[in-house]
Amino acid sequence: DADVTQTPRNRITKTGKRIMLECSQTKGHDRMYWYRQDPGLGLRLIYYSFDVKDINKGEISDGYSVSRQAQAKFSLSLESAIPNQTALYFCATASGTGRSGANVLTFGAGSRLTVL
Amino acid sequence: GENVEQHPSTLSVQEGDSAVIKCTYSDSASNYFPWYKQELGKGPQLIIDIRSNVGEKKDQRIAVTLNKTAKHFSLHITETQPEDSAVYFCAATETGANNLFFGTGTRLTVIP
Repeated sequence: DADVTQTPRNRITKTGKRIMLECSQTKGHDRMYWYRQDPGLGLRLIYYSFDVKDINKGEISDGYSVSRQAQAKFSLSLESAIPNQTALYFCATASGTGRSGANVLTFGAGSRLTVL
Repeated sequence: GENVEQHPSTLSVQEGDSAVIKCTYSDSASNYFPWYKQELGKGPQLIIDIRSNVGEKKDQRIAVTLNKTAKHFSLHITETQPEDSAVYFCAATETGANNLFFGTGTRLTVIP
């Protein structure tokens, strides 16, 4: 099984619908992240969490919300999807300890979202 | 905040040739520079990283160089193979910081 599992892998939805992308990890990492990937723009941080009670906005959090249900689970929600949220979304984890651990990310395989 | 620029956006090389991808960064506080490889249908995976206390690091066919004065770092792949075809991302951050700042990616194609 993958260390970081994202569901669904692909989703097509319509404008205005609520969408939830889920992420679970078996790495035992404290830190979890949601990134968005668009062609020519690289990876941009949406939200991150360092433990169950800690939620922080990234550089592009508008239109998104997250929930850290447990150490191993971090979900991303689009309350009312719009077409420019069509993108590839990645969940990632990192260890919260050690000099380098905090910066070494383990990514899931991605969730491709299309908003029509 | 940090701004990372990456060039080129696409790169095609013949199998066996070398490939070089270059990145620049803006924040002098950045001291950790990883490179991620993203294969088709997969998430990015760390392939090599370098810290600012060294100028070069090698791991078999891949190497990374860092010029902290000029604020640029590069990925070098020698003796390229078809399985090296992927999208490569550079990133920069300060150790322990909350976020990695990624470049925009380079799509490398190795032609057999």
